[in-house]
Amino acid sequence: GENVEQHPSTLSVQEGDSAVIKCTYSDSASNYFPWYKQELGKGPQLIIDIRSNVGEKKDQRIAVTLNKTAKHFSLHITETQPEDSAVYFCAAYDFSGTYKYIFGTGTRLKVLA
Amino acid sequence: NAGVTQTPKFQVLKTGQSMTLQCAQDMNHNSMYWYRQDPGMGLRLIYYSASEGTTDKGEVPNGYNVSRLNKREFSLRLESAAPSQTSVYFCASSAPGRLQETQYFGPGTRLLVL
Repeated sequence: GENVEQHPSTLSVQEGDSAVIKCTYSDSASNYFPWYKQELGKGPQLIIDIRSNVGEKKDQRIAVTLNKTAKHFSLHITETQPEDSAVYFCAAYDFSGTYKYIFGTGTRLKVLA
Repeated sequence: NAGVTQTPKFQVLKTGQSMTLQCAQDMNHNSMYWYRQDPGMGLRLIYYSASEGTTDKGEVPNGYNVSRLNKREFSLRLESAAPSQTSVYFCASSAPGRLQETQYFGPGTRLLVL
């Protein structure tokens, strides 16, 4: 089955700097990769996603890149702000017809003012 | 449009007690999921229901049962709670089709088993 590894587990950056979180997956059949942001006491919320037929996707200060050959994808946040502080999860879609997502273990991002 | 709702928000149980966590979605999604979230372990799938009338085990199903009551509602039952089931439980729903769709999460239920 699919396995997703996420690094780093914690990340501290100065406000205005960039943050990068990386995930690797094992199943080459996976073809959908969402990123979720979880604020304290709340459920995860989708912030950006990418499908395997695309190499990069941007949404304002957030971007995701996908390298299918190496089986890794990354979340890039530019010009970080204190409100970006949260836990971020990557996921890969397990394309075995069972509609299951496999999540990474999360990255706690702290943006220091 | 409330999205995914969960009740209760917080619950304390004694070992051996039973309870049911409720989840409902108003987005007309076919698929629903139950996850547990523990520190350092991310989100682990307990059970899921790809469509009304079907349920399947996920990664950590032991000690749990589920019921897909109708298209909107998916409940999770702990028959005999154990301290190892202390966790935050999230329900999610999605509308899978030919293109994979986003999972939408509820606000979570925090469960403490003493």
